[in-house]
Amino acid sequence: DTGVSQDPRHKITKRGQNVTFRCDPISEHNRLYWYRQTLGQGPEFLTYFQNEAQLEKSRLLSDRFSAERPKGSFSTLEIQRTEQGDSAMYLCASRPRTSGPRGEQFFGPGTRLTVL
Amino acid sequence: AQTVTQSQPEMSVQEAETVTLSCTYDTSESDYYLFWYKQPPSRQMILVIRQEAYKQQNATENRFSVNFQKAAKSFSLKISDSQLGDAAMYFCAYRSANTGNQFYFGTGTSLTVIP
Repeated sequence: DTGVSQDPRHKITKRGQNVTFRCDPISEHNRLYWYRQTLGQGPEFLTYFQNEAQLEKSRLLSDRFSAERPKGSFSTLEIQRTEQGDSAMYLCASRPRTSGPRGEQFFGPGTRLTVL
Repeated sequence: AQTVTQSQPEMSVQEAETVTLSCTYDTSESDYYLFWYKQPPSRQMILVIRQEAYKQQNATENRFSVNFQKAAKSFSLKISDSQLGDAAMYFCAYRSANTGNQFYFGTGTSLTVIP
């Protein structure tokens, strides 16, 4: 399967703990997005990478959230000092280098975070 | 920021019938792209259909078509000959052609297909 993969698929943690999620985009896709999706809502944009550069960050991304894409391939999203309000599905999506503005995003299966 | 509104949290359709899902958006831009994505239960989100704002002709993909009304800022999805596999959450999304890389999503419509 050469689609976008995310790990882990599910994460249960206690409030105050740190968690890290990984996203592996489709090979050759240089654009990578992170979204958060809560129950009954659509995906909310968190951050965008082009290659290794983090070009856009949402105001939703508090200072407890940090994302990296060190070599322009896989990306990690870390949440420090988790809160119950962080419970959500975290989605990763990628787009190829050759796609213009009309290009679609290819989504991963998501990581479901539950903070107890 | 652009906003996308889907006013129908839930819809149902009889198998083989036609259903229309509505979407409206708010923008001051003239050049943008609109998308419908499908999210089946416990599965990945996939693109259903897209529309360029500069095109007057409505996009069509097999049983899926859109009714794009630029002046009204409306972008509805019509599913013809509905199939059981069409049951999913459907999200409408907006992307500017010129400013930023963000996609803005609506809150989704849950479609049930009744056999």
